[in-house]
Amino acid sequence: LAKTTQPISMDSYEGQEVNITCSHNNIATNDYITWYQQFPSQGPRFIIQGYKTKVTNEVASLFIPADRKSSTLSLPRVSLSDTAVYYCLVGDYPAYNQGGKLIFGQGTELSVKP
Amino acid sequence: DSGVTQTPKHLITATGQRVTLRCSPRSGDLSVYWYQQSLDQGLQFLIQYYNGEERAKGNILERFSAQQFPDLHSELNLSSLELGDSALYFCASSFGPGEADTQYFGPGTRLTVL
Repeated sequence: LAKTTQPISMDSYEGQEVNITCSHNNIATNDYITWYQQFPSQGPRFIIQGYKTKVTNEVASLFIPADRKSSTLSLPRVSLSDTAVYYCLVGDYPAYNQGGKLIFGQGTELSVKP
Repeated sequence: DSGVTQTPKHLITATGQRVTLRCSPRSGDLSVYWYQQSLDQGLQFLIQYYNGEERAKGNILERFSAQQFPDLHSELNLSSLELGDSALYFCASSFGPGEADTQYFGPGTRLTVL
């Protein structure tokens, strides 16, 4: 699985747009990029997944440049409740021979202030 | 609410003891995953079952074992417990067996070994 690198922490204020960038220089052709969010003492929650270009859902957008060596999770107009740890994961699909294990890195601890 | 249930929510036991953690996946999901989260190790994948069979194995100790039953619920057995086994144990489920399948995490079981 491709190794990912994210900032350890970020600070923001309510109402701002937050962009968290993840580096994955050795991403493979079949790898997808997935982001999870985790609140303290809760299980991680799927946010968004993409392969290339841009993906948007009701929660976030995911921007992936043409070389796919990085990706950016964009959270529009954050609120205090978006304070959490955000994990970037890269893994191949389908990976039926390897199972579905997710390898979590350190994640980015986002702190949203009033 | 992810639809994944875990029991018990909290468990306090002594070193050398054995405990069983239980997980019920979301309705229709065939895969169950177990993760351990401790302060110093972060989120670590332990093991995956897909439709009753072991699919992938991670950093699971020999003292730990798991199984998935015909009704698809899963149990994680931890024996000869040590202080270092104190952690949050998460169960996740997905429909398919691969890494691109969205995993839905349960609320976790907090294990404290005294």
